[in-house]
Amino acid sequence: GDSVTQTEGLVTLTEGLPVMLNCTYQTIYSNPFLFWYVQHLNESPRLLLKSFTDNKRTEHQGFHATLHKSSSSFHLQKSSAQLSDSALYYCALTSHTNAYKVIFGKGTHLHVLP
Amino acid sequence: EAGVTQSPRYAVLQEGQAVSFWCDPISGHDTLYWYQQPRDQGPQLLVYFRDEAVIDNSQLPSDRFSAVRPKGTNSTLKIQSAKQGDTATYLCASSRWGARSAETLYFGSGTRLTVL
Repeated sequence: GDSVTQTEGLVTLTEGLPVMLNCTYQTIYSNPFLFWYVQHLNESPRLLLKSFTDNKRTEHQGFHATLHKSSSSFHLQKSSAQLSDSALYYCALTSHTNAYKVIFGKGTHLHVLP
Repeated sequence: EAGVTQSPRYAVLQEGQAVSFWCDPISGHDTLYWYQQPRDQGPQLLVYFRDEAVIDNSQLPSDRFSAVRPKGTNSTLKIQSAKQGDTATYLCASSRWGARSAETLYFGSGTRLTVL
């Protein structure tokens, strides 16, 4: 079945440094939709950004990601981390050909230090 | 526009007790998902509906868990005989079934279940 892999469980970095959170996926469907959700402490996940277009950069709230179907990747990046970026980040996958079954990765905890 | 509403916010049970979780999706959202999120883990899909029809319940422990959405609006998830391993936050999310675009999931605030 479909799966999403986030290799880092915890990323700790200093404010101002660049952020990169990895996401790769496996699916038999040719038209995947990829998402990044962010979950702050004691809150529910909310959408950060999404894409279904190959090789097109998507940006929101200073974060960006590009879906690369050739490498099955959708890495999340930000040029300069802020303290308020500390949160759990989940990569998720769905496809209309998979009846919109939405699968989440295990998540990456981003901890930004002053 | 009202968001996804879940109740109760918290539940504490002894093993063997039953519990029900209730979800009211965003108006007009025909797709409703139930996820289980153990502490420090990602959301794990249990079941999802389009209108009143179950689309996939393959990850629902059918011997103890059940979920319904009889009128295609509100939904109830029930655990018949809770186990300590069921301790988790239960999240409900809704979306619009889309054919051409990636539809966002909107999550409720969740029900935090502790089974003693």
